[in-house]
Amino acid sequence: LAKTTQPISMDSYEGQEVNITCSHNNIATNDYITWYQQFPSQGPRFIIQGYKTKVTNEVASLFIPADRKSSTLSLPRVSLSDTAVYYCLVGDKADSWGKLQFGAGTQVVVTP
Amino acid sequence: DTGVSQDPRHKITKRGQNVTFRCDPISEHNRLYWYRQTLGQGPEFLTYFQNEAQLEKSRLLSDRFSAERPKGSFSTLEIQRTEQGDSAMYLCASSSGQGSTSGRANNEQFFGPGTRLTVL
Repeated sequence: LAKTTQPISMDSYEGQEVNITCSHNNIATNDYITWYQQFPSQGPRFIIQGYKTKVTNEVASLFIPADRKSSTLSLPRVSLSDTAVYYCLVGDKADSWGKLQFGAGTQVVVTP
Repeated sequence: DTGVSQDPRHKITKRGQNVTFRCDPISEHNRLYWYRQTLGQGPEFLTYFQNEAQLEKSRLLSDRFSAERPKGSFSTLEIQRTEQGDSAMYLCASSSGQGSTSGRANNEQFFGPGTRLTVL
């Protein structure tokens, strides 16, 4: 499984855009990039998944350059409730049972 | 609530005691996973079931740990002779095991709230 590297922490103010970049230099052809969010005392929750270019949903956008060696999760106009740990995961699309390999994640703190 | 539930939410025990946790997955999900999470770290995979069959166990799962899913629905995780190093959050997740057709994750896992174990 491809290893991922992401910042340990990021601080932001309410209303700003937060961009978290994840490096995955050894990503394989069949690998997808997935982001999960975890609030304190809760289990992780899926945010977004992508393979290449750009993916957008109601929560976030995911930007993946052509070489796919990194990806950036973009959270638009964050609020206090976006304070959480964000995990970048890389896994094989063909791995149908989908064991998730989490790193330490990025702690995002949003302040007023 | 149709999400994944776990019981108990908190457990405090003394070293050497046995503990058992329960996980009720989303009803139509045939895949169930157990993870362990310690402070400041991401969840670590422990074991996985497809229906009632336990298909993989992590090396983290010592002989003191046993998991079951007898009828392919709820699952239990038992820790025998607990040690202080077992203190952690134990997370359960379930998935349908199907690919995405709605733009969501390929094999997205839905997590429960976890059981926080403290071993004194």
